[in-house]
Amino acid sequence: EIVLTQSPGTLSLSPGERATLSCRASQSVKNNYLAWYQQKPDQAPRLLFYGASSRATGTPVRFSGSGSGTDFTLTISRLEPEDFAVYYCQQYGDTPTTFGQGTRLEIK
Amino acid sequence: EVQLVESGGALVQPGGSLRLSCAASGFVFNSYAMSWVRQPPGKGLEWVAGIPDSAANTYYADSVKGRFIISRDDSENTLFLQMNSLRAEDTAIYYCAKEVGKIGVPLFDYWGQGTPVTVSS
Repeated sequence: EIVLTQSPGTLSLSPGERATLSCRASQSVKNNYLAWYQQKPDQAPRLLFYGASSRATGTPVRFSGSGSGTDFTLTISRLEPEDFAVYYCQQYGDTPTTFGQGTRLEIK
Repeated sequence: EVQLVESGGALVQPGGSLRLSCAASGFVFNSYAMSWVRQPPGKGLEWVAGIPDSAANTYYADSVKGRFIISRDDSENTLFLQMNSLRAEDTAIYYCAKEVGKIGVPLFDYWGQGTPVTVSS
């Protein structure tokens, strides 16, 4: 199965700063079927991006997704207080679908 | 508005069984594949099982194959997960998740709020 490794494990930043989250796959992700989810405490995950760079409904424009093959990035251009959460990447091009271990974005 | 409401989570002894339910509304349930995804306390997400719109086949993670059974009742817009031979490592929040299509693309656009399962003596 494809292993997704997210880095860093924890990212400490201040509101207004730029955040860059990485997701690296152990092998190429078919069709760039890579998604990003946001999860806040005691909430279910929320889909942010699919197909590496396609914004899901409701995803603010300060978020962007990029990458292909084995290296993918989620960028938040200017952090808002509500953006501090845990972010997961998921590959859905291969069976079984797998998730990264998550990056915790915390307020500095 | 799409809603997924899980129920059935509980404290159960190792070796025991449990049946989870997920009541769906706000979309044409029988037109979409569905999955269960779990999250152990303080840990990440793990896909558990999936079922296409037709229910012709079912799919499982290796960690639960032979112990869990996913099913659906389209007349009641409900998804189920029968969990047998439970182990401590099955302890998690179990989420019901709607897939974006009928089969083969496990991308999850809606999630329930989850139901907790604790396996302990």
